[in-house]
Amino acid sequence: DSGVTQTPKHLITATGQRVTLRCSPRSGDLSVYWYQQSLDQGLQFLIQYYNGEERAKGNILERFSAQQFPDLHSELNLSSLELGDSALYFCASSPQGVSHNSPLHFGNGTRLTVT
Amino acid sequence: DAKTTQPTSMDCAEGRAANLPCNHSTISGNEYVYWYRQIHSQGPQYIIHGLKNNETNEMASLIITEDRKSSTLILPHATLRDTAVYYCIVRVLGSGNTPLVFGKGTRLSVIA
Repeated sequence: DSGVTQTPKHLITATGQRVTLRCSPRSGDLSVYWYQQSLDQGLQFLIQYYNGEERAKGNILERFSAQQFPDLHSELNLSSLELGDSALYFCASSPQGVSHNSPLHFGNGTRLTVT
Repeated sequence: DAKTTQPTSMDCAEGRAANLPCNHSTISGNEYVYWYRQIHSQGPQYIIHGLKNNETNEMASLIITEDRKSSTLILPHATLRDTAVYYCIVRVLGSGNTPLVFGKGTRLSVIA
C-alpha cells in the first residue's frame, strides 16, 4: 500500500459529460502529480501541484483542470469528455522540501470509461 | 530530462536473477536514475534509485557504471509476482521535485 488513495476506482460516463477524480496524498506529502495512461500512449504526465499551487504542467488538455486544496487532497476535473479520454488516471505524491531525492508514490488509479 | 533506452521485453526463469539493462548515455551530473515497475494496470511502484554508487534495498540492486551512461536493475531471485513492466527513468533534482517522465519500459515475464 503506497498510502496514496484515489477515488473512485472505476467510473463510466457518457461523451460530453464532466467528472471529478479525487486523490488523497500520503500523510505529510506536499506535492501531488496527475498522470494519464491510455493503451496506446503509456504514462503521460498531466500536472503537478505543490502545497496548493500549480508547479508544473505536462500534456494536459484545456478541457482538463486540477486543483489542490488546503488539506492537500487534489481533484482532477475532466469536462466535455470524449471517447479518447478513456484511460487510467493515476495520482502520485512526494514530500518535496524534505529531500530532493524523494521518489513519487502512486495510487492505484481511477479507470475512466467514456461511452 | 535525459532519455533512456530499454529492451522492449525480457524473459527470466523463476528463481533466477533478472538483470534489466538501461542506457542513459546523455545523463547529466545532477540526474538520478530511478526504477519503477507496473504490475498489470496497478499504480507504478517505486523500486530503487541512485546517483553514482551501487544501491541495494529489500527489493533489488542497482548497478550504475562508472561513467553513469548505463545501469542494471537486478532482481536477485525472480518470482512470478515480479512479472511487470519495468521503467528506468532519469530525473533532475534541483530546487523542487520534478515529475517523472516515463518511457515504454521493459516487459519482464518470469516463467515457471
